[in-house]
Order: sequence, then C-alpha cells, then structure tokens
Amino acid sequence: GPKVLQIPSHQIIDMGQMVTLNCDPVSNHLYFYWYKQILGQQMEFLVNFYNGKVMEKSKLFKDQFSVERPDGSYFTLKIQPTALEDSAVYFCASSGDSNNQAPLFGEGTRLSVL
Amino acid sequence: GQGVEQPAKLMSVEGTFARVNCTYSTSGFNGLSWYQQREGQAPVFLSYVVLDGLKDSGHFSTFLSRSNGYSYLLLTELQIKDSASYLCAVRFPNYNVLYFGSGTKLTVEP
Repeated sequence: GPKVLQIPSHQIIDMGQMVTLNCDPVSNHLYFYWYKQILGQQMEFLVNFYNGKVMEKSKLFKDQFSVERPDGSYFTLKIQPTALEDSAVYFCASSGDSNNQAPLFGEGTRLSVL
Repeated sequence: GQGVEQPAKLMSVEGTFARVNCTYSTSGFNGLSWYQQREGQAPVFLSYVVLDGLKDSGHFSTFLSRSNGYSYLLLTELQIKDSASYLCAVRFPNYNVLYFGSGTKLTVEP
C-alpha cells in the first residue's frame, strides 16, 4: 500500500548544529504533518502544511523550526540551531483532501542531539 | 493535547478481550481515530469514528459517544501479538490536525 518514507532513520548531531529531516509523503496527499515523540511519551503535534503554507502550529514549534516542500519534493523539517531537548523521534504524516481521512505515518527519524 | 485522556496501562489474558478507554474535550470535536503503535515503530491506523455508536471491524471495534466525550477500542479474541500501545487521537476542525492522548500500553498475557 501507499507509504510515507522518512530519511534518515537516525541522525546524531552536536548541539547548536543544523539538521534537516526529510519526508517523502504519499504522492496524491495534500496535507503534511510533523509530530514529535520523546521515547515512551505522548505523540505531540508540531505543525501541518497545506498548499505550500503552514496552516497550524503548536507551542512546540519553536522559532528554530521551519518547514518547506520546495517544488513538490521532500517535505522537510529544519531545526537551526538544535538544542538538547530536541532529541526525540520525529514522525512525518500525510493525508488526502477528504474530511474523514486519517493521516498515514512514516517510520520516524530518531534525532539524538549531543 | 486538547484534553485527550487515556489510562497508561492495561493488562488482559490471551483469548479474552480488552477495552481501551479514551475521553476528550467535546468542544469542536470533528472525529476520532485509533492507532496501534509498537515500540520504535510508526503508529498504524486502526479505525476512524465520527458518529455515535459501535463500529465493528472484526478483531477491533470502536464505540463513540459524542455527548459524553468518550470512545473505546475493543479488542476481542486477544493474541499475544496484540501487546502494543493504543493511541486515541481526536480531530478538531483545523486543517485535519490530530491531537493524541498519551496512549495505553496493553499487555496480553498467556
């Protein structure tokens, strides 16, 4: 079936550096999301993106975070600069334009900030 | 987020059933989804409900009461492999965003 792909699966980075997490959503999906999950804890909404724009973002989506999807390629989450508390698994999800379509999640990128 | 609450843990026995409860703030409710998540893996979609009542999908059934802000996921004929976390996620009418509860970790014992 359709899949959301995330690259890389694991990223280790030094605090203060920049990191870009990549997501390849399902091809005909129009809504894209990033969620953050610290190990063993709640899945927390960060941001969603539609028609080239951020539609909604949570308090967790700090000024250091940005998202884009240039020319229909990867949907990316960039963190610059990174902080220790950014260590978590970041899940990308996508959904179609139907009112009752639940988002499909990727396998996540585990980010470790040292 | 958005007042979505679930018990942290649940234990049951192979061959029996388990009911995972979820409560949420009713204001602006626009649908509820259930996901299964195994440790270190992506959440897997199980069911979506928006109308009151019981929706039977075989091994999984879901119930919703909108006036009470309550849903449950019922797993029948439990198998050991049903041991996982079950996430309740509520959608509010803002661009299809889901707000998750903290998840219920189900352990199925022999």
